[in-house]
Amino acid sequence: DAKTTQPPSMDCAEGRAANLPCNHSTISGNEYVYWYRQIHSQGPQYIIHGLKNNETNEMASLIITEDRKSSTLILPHATLRDTAVYYCIVRVPISSGSARQLTFGSGTQLTVLP
Amino acid sequence: KAGVTQTPRYLIKTRGQQVTLSCSPISGHRSVSWYQQTPGQGLQFLFEYFSETQRNKGNFPGRFSGRQFSNSRSEMNVSTLELGDSALYLCASSGDSWGTGNTIYFGEGSWLTVV
Repeated sequence: DAKTTQPPSMDCAEGRAANLPCNHSTISGNEYVYWYRQIHSQGPQYIIHGLKNNETNEMASLIITEDRKSSTLILPHATLRDTAVYYCIVRVPISSGSARQLTFGSGTQLTVLP
Repeated sequence: KAGVTQTPRYLIKTRGQQVTLSCSPISGHRSVSWYQQTPGQGLQFLFEYFSETQRNKGNFPGRFSGRQFSNSRSEMNVSTLELGDSALYLCASSGDSWGTGNTIYFGEGSWLTVV
């Protein structure tokens, strides 16, 4: 799996958009970008994933640059409950017969301020 | 749809004892994997089971073992507990087809304290 680089911490004002960057300059053509978050003392929560097109779901948007060397997770209207560690993970797609394993880095501690 | 269920949520054991943790995956998921999370080492992969067979293993000593039952429920066991085994143990499940298998879902974890 390709290595990812994320800032260790970020702050965001409540109600504003939180933009979390991730660098993955060694990503290969068939690797997806996944985002998870972990609120203190809970299991990681899946947020979103994508290959090369921008993706949006009820939780967030994922913007991947055209060269796929970096991406940004956007929480459009951050709330206090979005305070968590956010992990960007790059890996090949899970398919039938392949082993499932996620390699977590240090992530970004997002603190949403009132 | 019920999520990944782990029991117990919290437990305290004495050094030298052994512990068994349980995980029920999301209905229909046949892959169950286990992770250990400590403040110093972060989230580390322990092993993965699929259809009752260990398919992948992380770099942990033999004191850490697991198994999976025919209903996909899984248990992990740690024998001869050491203080350093104090951690949050996370179970994750996923499907095995292209459509449902792209996402891995985690349980809330079992907090183990070794004293």
